[in-house]
This record gives sequence, C-alpha cells and structure tokens, in this order.
Amino acid sequence: NAGVTQTPKFQVLKTGQSMTLQCAQDMNHEYMSWYRQDPGMGLRLIHYSVGAGITDQGEVPNGYNVSRSTTEDFPLRLLSAAPSQTSVYFCASSQSWGAPYEQYFGPGTRLTVT
Amino acid sequence: AQKITQTQPGMFVQEKEAVTLDCTYDTSDQSYGLFWYKQPSSGEMIFLIYQGSYDEQNATEGRYSLNFQKARKSANLVISASQLGDSAMYFCAMSPLNAGNNRKLIWGLGTSLAVNP
Repeated sequence: NAGVTQTPKFQVLKTGQSMTLQCAQDMNHEYMSWYRQDPGMGLRLIHYSVGAGITDQGEVPNGYNVSRSTTEDFPLRLLSAAPSQTSVYFCASSQSWGAPYEQYFGPGTRLTVT
Repeated sequence: AQKITQTQPGMFVQEKEAVTLDCTYDTSDQSYGLFWYKQPSSGEMIFLIYQGSYDEQNATEGRYSLNFQKARKSANLVISASQLGDSAMYFCAMSPLNAGNNRKLIWGLGTSLAVNP
C-alpha cells in the first residue's frame, strides 16, 4: 500500500497562475479532505469529500476547487494563486467520517506564491 | 462552539523520562472522539492514539497513553520513556460521532516537544 500520495512536494507559483495539487489513496477510503497548515494557525480544512461525486466546503474554501470523480483521486485546484495561499497543503483520507476513524495523511505539498 | 486548546507551545523533556502534553476541549456533543497526531520535522502527520468519549478506560498504544478526564474535558497525551525520535509537534484533535452534516475535525495549535539527550 502506498497510502496517501501527493504531488508535487514543492511548487512555486506566480500570482495569478493556476495549478492542481494531486492526491491519491489506495485504501478504498470514502472520506478525503484537503487541509492547509500555516504557522500559528494549525490545520484548516479547505474542502472534503465523503465519496465519489460528493464534495463540500470546509473552513477556508475560497480560491480553491475540488472534484472527486473516482474513489482514489481528490485533486485540489488553485484557480488564481495569491500570496495568501502560500502554505503547506495536506491531503488526508479515512475509512469513514469522524470518530473513531483516524485520518491518513499524505506527505504534504509546500506551495509558495510570489 | 467546539474548540481544542493546547496551552503548551513548547516542552522539553530529558531522554527516558515521561512527559505529559496537555489538551483541553470544549464541545456540546454528547458523543465525540479525541485524536493525537505527531508531526516530526520531516512534515508528515502521523496518527498516534484515539479515545472515544464513551470509552471507560484510557487508551494506550505502546509508549503513548491518553489521560482522559471527561468531567474536566481534558485528554492529555502521556509519552513514557521519551526517545530522541519523539521530538516533534503534537496535535490534539476532536470530531463528533454521528456528526451528520457537521463533518469537521477540530484541531489544536500543537505543542512542540524537544527531547534532550
């Protein structure tokens, strides 16, 4: 099992550019989510999905889009990058929603927007 | 409002000693679960231990145990016999059971633990 994989590991964008962060899991998990981690802010939920074709917004969804066409994949799209989106992005998956199911995290993507 | 508070931004412990990392929470849910995750300097998030609000016994996983005091709304992580590899950020998180549409995992801001040789 590869678990949760994310690509790329590092990315530098210019303001206004768009890009897609890839996330895939091979554990047949229903629930997938995207977080951003900023110093002093902890982890904040961007978007999540409870199954293929079903997505919803988290705490900080503005400027991001997601889709989930398959159980395995959950890409995060930055529509027009802004310096405020400089962060570390984590994708996570779990067998089902909420306790007692722990989340499995990908290795993260460090994004810098100049 | 649901909230997780980790009051210790940084902690030091001597190798082989035990250390307690504090976590208090606020929730109006009757049933919920508490998680601890570890984030080493390499950046990945690693699940450590889980405690359900309905569990009568404190959770244990190897050197990790959870000191759960429901009335005080605290879920402190105890690491016994600290090792140098325990140096990391530690996050406490909470989610409701039977959450319905409230599909969220509430996170604390973390505690940085440094283990001294």
